[in-house]
Amino acid sequence: NAGVTQTPKFRVLKTGQSMTLLCAQDMNHEYMYWYRQDPGMGLRLIHYSVGEGTTAKGEVPDGYNVSRLKKQNFLLGLESAAPSQTSVYFCASRTSVTGELFFGEGSRLTVL
Amino acid sequence: GDSVTQMEGPVTLSEEAFLTINCTYTATGYPSLFWYVQYPGEGLQLLLKATKADDKGSNKGFEATYRKETTSFHLEKGSVQVSDSAVYFCALTHPGGAGANNLFFGTGTRLTVIP
Repeated sequence: NAGVTQTPKFRVLKTGQSMTLLCAQDMNHEYMYWYRQDPGMGLRLIHYSVGEGTTAKGEVPDGYNVSRLKKQNFLLGLESAAPSQTSVYFCASRTSVTGELFFGEGSRLTVL
Repeated sequence: GDSVTQMEGPVTLSEEAFLTINCTYTATGYPSLFWYVQYPGEGLQLLLKATKADDKGSNKGFEATYRKETTSFHLEKGSVQVSDSAVYFCALTHPGGAGANNLFFGTGTRLTVIP
């Protein structure tokens, strides 16, 4: 079982460049999330989605956009990368019933 | 709003020592409580959970009891191993109710177990 898969796993960008992180889940989950993890900050929610075609802002949405065109995929976009967006990004999904989150392995992004 | 406060780390223990990582929460209603573990270079994975007061979650020798009277969900293990070295996150959510679209995480506690 693949679970939650994130691509790419590593990426280095220059300031001002754009990129998209892809998250795919094969568990038919309704809810999907994008978090960032920074040292000493724990996990912070960027955006989330409660179903295909819907998205909402989390705690730290500025500088990011998301789309959920298909139920199994949740894309995170950076239109103009900044050094402050250097982080490890985690995608997660869950059903609305159990509350348990399933995480991807993370995507390490460095913005120079 | 809801929040989770957990013990600051890092925590360093010798193998076979007793582990406690404290976690307290603030929430309305009856949230579900979780402990997640993150091993080096990996994503978070569920360690254990409890969905109602007085429930005890357990897995891999770890235990935590949902204490509504003290709003706590402390993680314990009687004898840690080097392989338990990881970052541990306490979390809560309200499945199906208000705030159902989010998990509230603590900041994480890094545990290092030395041989």
